[in-house]
Amino acid sequence: DAGITQSPRYKITETGRQVTLMCHQTWSHSYMFWYRQDLGHGLRLIYYSAAADITDKGEVPDGYVVSRSKTENFPLTLESATRSQTSVYFCASSESQEQYFGPGTRLTVT
Amino acid sequence: GNSVTQMEGPVTLSEEAFLTINCTYTATGYPSLFWYVQYPGEGLQLLLKATKADDKGSNKGFEATYRKETTSFHLEKGSVQVSDSAVYFCALRRPPGNTGKLIFGQGTTLQVKP
Repeated sequence: DAGITQSPRYKITETGRQVTLMCHQTWSHSYMFWYRQDLGHGLRLIYYSAAADITDKGEVPDGYVVSRSKTENFPLTLESATRSQTSVYFCASSESQEQYFGPGTRLTVT
Repeated sequence: GNSVTQMEGPVTLSEEAFLTINCTYTATGYPSLFWYVQYPGEGLQLLLKATKADDKGSNKGFEATYRKETTSFHLEKGSVQVSDSAVYFCALRRPPGNTGKLIFGQGTTLQVKP
């Protein structure tokens, strides 16, 4: 199906483990973004990418790593998960003004 | 710096009531302004946008006017429905030449009761 998908939709992991959240879009949009959504904070930008092999930090990048080897994929890795990274994570893509969001991944770190 | 401030929620209304959700912004230059809506369990969807002063964005009965003099982009709807219950986010995009990043407000939860 066309669009932007995220996997997994739900994930429970333990403190200290590495976890990767996947994001895939079928539009060949140049820009891709990762946000986290927490009560009282709205959406905060973690990392973004302007094209394959081009990534840059957002507002809250610490503890996260991204890569973009292909235009359609933009995985987000938590190298050593902490409880403060419990959140809902949204991926988005864009070619112009509008950003299109995936359905989100709810991550719980125990 | 650039920022977006929304009224705190939740906002609780009865069906067919008039809705206003306030949004003010701080930005250099002439940003584009957006309202996104998030229905329960879903990602955000663009509701409407305005790209220059005095523009009015509209969609699904919702409206917002880009007011540069008051740096505001308030969301309004004349008669809300239960199906409008959602979280609403105001956002800005800095002028061209930037990477297209959006800056979001904290979101306002709307609950519409029958």
